[in-house]
Amino acid sequence: DAGVIQSPRHEVTEMGQEVTLRCKPISGHDYLFWYRQTMMRGLELLIYFNNNVPIDDSGMPEDRFSAKMPNASFSNLKIQPSEPRDSAVYFCASSRRVFSGNTIYFGEGSWLTVV
Amino acid sequence: RKEVEQDPGPFNVPEGATVAFNCTYSNSASQSFFWYRQDCRKEPKLLMSVYSSGNEDGRFTAQLNRASQYISLLIRDSKLSDSATYLCVVSLSGNTPLVFGKGTRLSVIA
Repeated sequence: DAGVIQSPRHEVTEMGQEVTLRCKPISGHDYLFWYRQTMMRGLELLIYFNNNVPIDDSGMPEDRFSAKMPNASFSNLKIQPSEPRDSAVYFCASSRRVFSGNTIYFGEGSWLTVV
Repeated sequence: RKEVEQDPGPFNVPEGATVAFNCTYSNSASQSFFWYRQDCRKEPKLLMSVYSSGNEDGRFTAQLNRASQYISLLIRDSKLSDSATYLCVVSLSGNTPLVFGKGTRLSVIA
């Protein structure tokens, strides 16, 4: 089975530009998570979905960030406008219906640099 | 107080050494506990779950102390390939998202 697939793997963009990160979860997984990882703050949950519905977006830093899941096989995270402090690794993860720590799988991450 | 706290390290140990990491969590209602491993520039992957009675997987032993709200990971006979960041992970219940510590970096030196 294919794992969680994220794109792009690496992106360098200029401050003020829109950034779109994409994720394809593992087929059959009902939960999808977006995490952000930085040296200073570690791995933080931004938002998660259950059956394509956003459940908790309290981790989204501000209105510049938005995430959607239009169907079971795709989600995107947008940053508009981007700022240098958004530079981080963004991980998408998915898990089965009954979520627990031993059934969650991460994608390889999208490495974002905003200059 | 942060929800999950770990010593960031780095821990630099020679091959064959025994090394232990501790992690504390703030929410006494937490139900599930895990150790994840993250290699440099890679995604986190589950290393092992942590059970109340303690559990072992080869050279790795995990223990949970609910009264003191800490979790430990012991690695015996360290290998070069054990070099990574070890993330302590906690969840309130089976249906709440995982909370990650910032990780403890381990370097095993030949």
